[in-house]
This record gives sequence, C-alpha cells and structure tokens, in this order.
Amino acid sequence: NAGVTQTPKFQVLKTGQSMTLQCAQDMNHEYMSWYRQDPGMGLRLIHYSVGAGITDQGEVPNGYNVSRSTTEDFPLRLLSAAPSQTSVYFCASSYSKSGSKETQYFGPGTRLLVL
Amino acid sequence: ELKVEQNPLFLSMQEGKNYTIYCNYSTTSDRLYWYRQDPGKSLESLFVLLSNGAVKQEGRLMASLDTKARLSTLHITAAVHDLSATYFCAGGTGGTSYGKLTFGQGTILTVHP
Repeated sequence: NAGVTQTPKFQVLKTGQSMTLQCAQDMNHEYMSWYRQDPGMGLRLIHYSVGAGITDQGEVPNGYNVSRSTTEDFPLRLLSAAPSQTSVYFCASSYSKSGSKETQYFGPGTRLLVL
Repeated sequence: ELKVEQNPLFLSMQEGKNYTIYCNYSTTSDRLYWYRQDPGKSLESLFVLLSNGAVKQEGRLMASLDTKARLSTLHITAAVHDLSATYFCAGGTGGTSYGKLTFGQGTILTVHP
C-alpha cells in the first residue's frame, strides 16, 4: 500500500492563480480530510468527506473547494490564491469504524507559497 | 465547538529526565489522539485513546485519558535525544464526524544531552 499520497510536494503561486492539490489513498478509507498547518496554530481542518459524493466544511473553508467523486481521491482546489493561503497542507484518511487501531493517516504534505 | 489546548508549548528536557505534556479539551470528545511530527515531515500516529481511564504505552511514552476532567497526558520517561519532535494532541468525535479532528497548538520538545 502506498498509503496517502499528495502532489505536488511544493508549489509557488502568484496571487490570483488557481490550482488543485491532489490527494489519493489506497486503503479504501471512507473518511478523508484536508488540514492546513501554520506555525504556532497546530493543524486546522479545511474540508472533510465521509464518503464519495459527501463533503462538509471544516474550521477554515473559505477560499477552498473540494469534491469527492471516488473513494480514493479527494482534491483540494484553491480558487484564487492569496498570500494568507501560504501554508503546509496535509491530507488525511481514516476508517469509518471505531476500534483501538482507528487513527487518521496523514499524507506527506504540500508546501504552498503564494506571492 | 471543540477546543484543544496543550501545555507547555515549548519543552526543553535533559536526557534521562521525566516530564508530562498536558492536553485539555473544552467539550465532550469521545476520542483523543496523540501525534508526533519531525521537522519538515508528516504526522505519525502515536496513540488513540477511546475511553475514560484509557492508558497506552509505547517505549518511553505513555498516554492517558480522563474524560471527566477533559484531560489527556503524554508522559515521557527517561527522555532520549530521539524523542525531540513536535507532539500534537487532537480531539475527535464519532459518527459522521470521524473525519474531523481539532488539534492543539503542539508542544515542541527538545531533549538535550
């Protein structure tokens, strides 16, 4: 299993440009999430999905769109990049059933710089 | 709305010493997670605590959960340099909110010789 993969690893954008951060998992997880990490603030939830075709907003959704057409993929779209979106973005996935091994698996992250 | 606070935010330890990181959360959370993050890396799952009184240990790290006090602790025993990292706690709920975690600010741990 590749686990959770993210592309690109690093991206530089100009203000106003749009782009899509890709996330894929091969563990057949139902739950997938996007977080951003900024210094001193931990990770904050942007959007999450409980299954194909179902998404919901997290704590900081403004400026981002998501869709979930398949179980495996959960892309994050920046509609019009702003310097405030400079951050490290992590995608995560998890099982839907409770249990002692339940956890969220995180991808390697995408570092985004918006100039 | 769930809020999670960790303290301390910075922790400098000597090798061989013991210390505890505290994680307080504001409302009912039926699961508590601990993660480790090395600089420039992703998050690595350490523990998942699912019930009141749960205690889990792995090597020099031990995590516990007190749901009545809304408190989780991560205890470090006889610290070694390899434990230097940032540690996060995160709270979550079940049901349709499985994909939602609320993270603390993180504790940057540095272990000195």
